[in-house]
Amino acid sequence: EDKVVQSPLSLVVHEGDTVTLNCSYEVTNFRSLLWYKQEKKAPTFLFMLTSSGIEKKSGRLSSILDKKELFSILNITATQTGDSAVYLCDQWAGSYQLTFGKGTKLSVIP
Amino acid sequence: GAVVSQHPSWVICKSGTSVKIECRSLDFQATTMFWYRQFPKQSLMLMATSNEGSKATYEQGVEKDKFLINHASLTLSTLTVTSAHPEDSSFYICSAHRGQGQPQHFGDGTRLSIL
Repeated sequence: EDKVVQSPLSLVVHEGDTVTLNCSYEVTNFRSLLWYKQEKKAPTFLFMLTSSGIEKKSGRLSSILDKKELFSILNITATQTGDSAVYLCDQWAGSYQLTFGKGTKLSVIP
Repeated sequence: GAVVSQHPSWVICKSGTSVKIECRSLDFQATTMFWYRQFPKQSLMLMATSNEGSKATYEQGVEKDKFLINHASLTLSTLTVTSAHPEDSSFYICSAHRGQGQPQHFGDGTRLSIL
């Protein structure tokens, strides 16, 4: 059974649209939740969330954590073709336990 | 700039060959590094945690004799795929972080193709 579940698995939108990506996780030993963007090569770090209800923002991207409902969302506003990538969420659960979700593949078409 | 360097980027070799992949942290000391494998259209799968000066910790289902990990210094971990076969063809990625719970910095990955 997957510990980190992302949805949707795949998403196709037009430039300018706003998208919301979801990540649900298990509570056991939860320390933080991290979002990464993976294009052609290795993932690059986007956000790390440890506290519930506090939005992290970077340009058109933002993310928030809900520790009561055990999920996080990643929002991208005014999407651009350069946002096309696989977005991964990773639960850090004590010690060195790392669990990545399967990712959401976002395709932004002109 | 890159904080984790991984080499080589791409390897093509014959079945039965052993292949070594290097992962270096460039501007910080990493007592722990991670090795992942990623098959096409799938997510990262943690293979093992590389610990400086001690044995690596392997995830369930990963053969430790097949995937040899050496973490001889605070800035270098190596993964050796021994007697590689076509089913070992995959994208291998390493990562390191500055401290527990800190974001991981990933290498650019190594695409391994075994003929």
